[in-house]
Amino acid sequence: GAGVSQSPRYKVAKRGQDVALRCDPISGHVSLYWYRQALGQGPEFLTYFNYEAQQDKSGLPNDRFSAERPEGSISTLTIQRTEQRDSAMYRCASSSIAGETQYFGPGTRLLVL
Amino acid sequence: AQSVTQPDIHITVSEGASLELRCNYSYGATPYLFWYVQSPGQGLQLLLKYFSGDTLVQGIKGFEAEFKRSQSSFNLRKPSVHWSDAAEYFCAVDHRYSGGGADGLTFGKGTHLIIQP
Repeated sequence: GAGVSQSPRYKVAKRGQDVALRCDPISGHVSLYWYRQALGQGPEFLTYFNYEAQQDKSGLPNDRFSAERPEGSISTLTIQRTEQRDSAMYRCASSSIAGETQYFGPGTRLLVL
Repeated sequence: AQSVTQPDIHITVSEGASLELRCNYSYGATPYLFWYVQSPGQGLQLLLKYFSGDTLVQGIKGFEAEFKRSQSSFNLRKPSVHWSDAAEYFCAVDHRYSGGGADGLTFGKGTHLIIQP
């Protein structure tokens, strides 16, 4: 596609519910990144992939958060047993290779009630 | 701890006036530096980046930034702002090239730019 796309754009979840956020990177981009942005803050790095391999997940806040990119293209960020503190904008970015400019998607705004 | 600091949370500038947004970073090596802009309801758009070479870099929309190693700064400037420049601006550094422990970008908290008519 022309840019990074994310779905859904908005998600309202009840506390305890599992949510899955999808990212479709720019076609051909090797590296894919996930960030979380709380209100009034800058994005915070969560994890990233080169192809299908998860390179670094040290930014994931706890074991309720996981991500996968099984075919090296689309990625899913899953949050299990959501809590109110998980409410934030979740942003995905991709780059042609690791270390090159990251292009961001529009984000998914998650609200946990 | 490695960090990116944007000391101004809000800045108000009159349309047509010049602009400077401040960014300071704390890393041991020469970092890769970026400025992104976020308009309401939009994703983050790259304005410009510094990897190496000329310390004054030009970006889109008439923006420029200067890397000053001695001051650990990468301030964003524009000679004359337009009402459409009203947005949130983020400075970021790439860990990978700074000896950081994690990959990906570290962002500052952002500066909200308000344009007065």
